[in-house]
Amino acid sequence: DAGVTQSPTHLIKTRGQHVTLRCSPISGHKSVSWYQQVLGQGPQFIFQYYEKEERGRGNFPDRFSARQFPNYSSELNVNALLLGDSALYLCASSSRTGSIEQYFGPGTRLTVT
Amino acid sequence: AQSVTQPDIHITVSEGASLELRCNYSYGATPYLFWYVQSPGQGLQLLLKYFSGDTLVQGIKGFEAEFKRSQSSFNLRKPSVHWSDAAEYFCAVGGYGGSQGNLIFGKGTKLSVKP
Repeated sequence: DAGVTQSPTHLIKTRGQHVTLRCSPISGHKSVSWYQQVLGQGPQFIFQYYEKEERGRGNFPDRFSARQFPNYSSELNVNALLLGDSALYLCASSSRTGSIEQYFGPGTRLTVT
Repeated sequence: AQSVTQPDIHITVSEGASLELRCNYSYGATPYLFWYVQSPGQGLQLLLKYFSGDTLVQGIKGFEAEFKRSQSSFNLRKPSVHWSDAAEYFCAVGGYGGSQGNLIFGKGTKLSVKP
């Protein structure tokens, strides 16, 4: 069975631009969480979605948004990119909301210049 | 506030030597605890988890961890390190307030293995 998949693998954007990152959870998993991992740090929680509804949000500005689709895949959107948004963005899936046993994808490396 | 501390930023051990990576947490209730491993440029792989019961938990790749409530610790151990264990290791605690389903991570410990 495929694990969590994310696309693209890498991308480079310019300050002020917008970016969309995509995630497909493990088959049968209905919950998706997004994390930001800045170089040299541990991942930080951004959002959790379950059944297309936001179930949790970390301490991130409104420039960050996400959504979940009927097939449980998810998108993370970041507007007005800043240099500080450069990071590895990780998606994790779990079988249900409230389940903290999460399985991570390989991540999307975002570089903002 | 809930937090996870990994006091060692970088550890170097010789191949075949034993390993212990430290993790301390601050949490208001019984925590759910995890260790993840991350190879360069990769995502996170779950090594082991503690939810309840036996305080010594076994994981993949020969790792184990011991939950000590009195010390608020969940240290990761391996009796004999292999060169392929070189990676970054993250301790995490789960369940945060009303936002169930998110993890709080430590800053990680980078493990180097000498031949």
